[in-house]
Amino acid sequence: SQKIEQNSEALNIQEGKTATLTCNYTNYSPAYLQWYRQDPGRGPVFLLLIRENEKEKRKERLKVTFDTTLKQSLFHITASQPADSATYLCALDIYGTGANNLFFGTGTRLTVIP
Amino acid sequence: DAEITQSPRHKITETGRQVTLACHQTWNHNNMFWYRQDLGHGLRLIHYSYGVQDTNKGEVSDGYSVSRSNTEDLPLTLESAASSQTSVYFCASSEPGLAGGEQFFGPGTRLTVL
Repeated sequence: SQKIEQNSEALNIQEGKTATLTCNYTNYSPAYLQWYRQDPGRGPVFLLLIRENEKEKRKERLKVTFDTTLKQSLFHITASQPADSATYLCALDIYGTGANNLFFGTGTRLTVIP
Repeated sequence: DAEITQSPRHKITETGRQVTLACHQTWNHNNMFWYRQDLGHGLRLIHYSYGVQDTNKGEVSDGYSVSRSNTEDLPLTLESAASSQTSVYFCASSEPGLAGGEQFFGPGTRLTVL
């Protein structure tokens, strides 16, 4: 069956360190992968998108990698801050069309400890 | 500023009642989506629409219906509410024809079915 797994339900990290979150998928061949941030009581907010032919994408302190052979994406937050504490979701578009139908992982709750 | 709103934000209802959750967006997006979010399952797609008069079933559509009479609104109806439909519901929209385009989410509606 098709599955999207995010490495752990919760991740605690010390302020200033790099947080690394993992998204693994099976039985998909996604055209692109997105990462979202969700704060308690709010809707997800888009962060980054990476396409199947891209290995890496950066935006300020965020970096995403995409390995279609391993079927895995890594999401890094460098120099983490307490304000980065949130749940992070990965999402796959397996159709690669303008329809933008996304399949979401269950999320990883990140806590950055001051 | 363009936005996507949902109402009500909280709703308590009884088993068997019909419930309608509203979603309104001012992005002028043709694509609109309804998800439910439950612990351990992440975001799951209920219904989606690619434009006026277009509706499609998602992964968990049983017991739900939508209609699209204009670009701005996609109301979600629970025809006969069941306790299994207690969840947080999110509406989203995206720009069609933009492969990999981000989805913009509303703030969510927390529904409790007693």
